[in-house]
Amino acid sequence: QSALTQPASVSGSPGQSITISCTGTSRDVGGYDYVSWYQHHPDKAPKLILSDVNNRPAGISSRFSGSKSGDTASLIISGLQVEDEADYYCSSYTDFSTVVFGGGTRLTVL
Amino acid sequence: EVRLVQSGGALVQPGGSLRLSCVGSGFTFGPHGMSWVRQAPGKGLEWVSGVSGGGDSTYYAESVKGRFTISRDRSKNTLYLQMNSLRADDTAIYYCAKDDYTAITATLRYWGQGTRVTVSS
Repeated sequence: QSALTQPASVSGSPGQSITISCTGTSRDVGGYDYVSWYQHHPDKAPKLILSDVNNRPAGISSRFSGSKSGDTASLIISGLQVEDEADYYCSSYTDFSTVVFGGGTRLTVL
Repeated sequence: EVRLVQSGGALVQPGGSLRLSCVGSGFTFGPHGMSWVRQAPGKGLEWVSGVSGGGDSTYYAESVKGRFTISRDRSKNTLYLQMNSLRADDTAIYYCAKDDYTAITATLRYWGQGTRVTVSS
């Protein structure tokens, strides 16, 4: 099971919006709505920010949203803030009843 | 408050074994799927293994299949990962995580604090 494909890095200025893509196949992202996104700061546990493509857990800012088209899911962060600087990972359920993560995207807020 | 508290990480020689533990509190341990996820130095997150809420179904990444065994003890609210035939590329921080669903769905809402496993001679 190959990792989902994410850009290695993205950047933006405070107040801007950015999009992180996550491309898989019909056997994972394209086949299920069990797509999640995680925010990961160094030396901390990953934090679930979106589940089921576009559901925000309680306490997660509405600046985070998601979508999916075919085999590609996307995380959109609007109104970038300095504290959004982190690594972001997508994940998906797969045909093999396993879970696959993306390679991760480092977000830099300039 | 939901908490997952991990233990068991250590320095171990190649070919050795180690068992990680993850004790849950603040939620009903039984119905939820549970997973182990790791992050090797300088690398991204990698899903390692999962067990269904009932404990009757277990799943593994190809990289650990046949070497690692996941299990859960409902009476102790504890998740385990038995790691055998350890290799240098198993060196990582290992996290346990609780799924929102009974099955393994990649919806990992709560995470343990992580425990470091180093495989080296």
